[in-house]
Amino acid sequence: AQKITQTQPGMFVQEKEAVTLDCTYDTSDPSYGLFWYKQPSSGEMIFLIYQGSYDQQNATEGRYSLNFQKARKSANLVISASQLGDSAMYFCAMREGRVTSGSRLTFGEGTQLTVNP
Amino acid sequence: DAGITQSPRHKVTETGTPVTLRCHQTENHRYMYWYRQDPGHGLRLIHYSYGVKDTDKGEVSDGYSVSRSKTEDFLLTLESATSSQTSVYFCAIAQGLDEQYFGPGTRLTVT
Repeated sequence: AQKITQTQPGMFVQEKEAVTLDCTYDTSDPSYGLFWYKQPSSGEMIFLIYQGSYDQQNATEGRYSLNFQKARKSANLVISASQLGDSAMYFCAMREGRVTSGSRLTFGEGTQLTVNP
Repeated sequence: DAGITQSPRHKVTETGTPVTLRCHQTENHRYMYWYRQDPGHGLRLIHYSYGVKDTDKGEVSDGYSVSRSKTEDFLLTLESATSSQTSVYFCAIAQGLDEQYFGPGTRLTVT
């Protein structure tokens, strides 16, 4: 079974509008973390935002916020006031457990976001 | 930006030859990771390290080995490259469990 599911292969949004990228996850571990990364056409992976399973509030970083709904096992990324530079592939990823040997991330297949002028 | 470099950035090699990719960090971070990225699969973990000489396998470790003899360097070796190992390889580093920063990637083509 897929641990991370991103159901939107492609999304389109008008410049200056908000957009939500979906991510659902599957884990039985009570301690986990959820990450979002941006990959522009140039290829680098850019860390955007992190949410821990015990965090009481939804994470926010500038125009990025994570809509964390634990009971539904969803961790959607919300981008407010979209800009042309937001056009990229977006990946959701999960860390399970808090083992001291490190965060082994499992990634979804990504959502290609296109921002139209 | 985290100080992570990968070398080489591009490489073309023939089937059956050994290949070593290098990841170098200037952040003194404890954890280092190697992933590969293929169309339709997102990123998948190959190997990771949680300290000098401490390494473990990830999801797709067959055909790969790693070494970490000092904090700043994490080497990924393909002992005998195959066409199925054509991919983009990313190194990542982290000091804690709640972060992970990626290098620029290495595009490897095995002919």
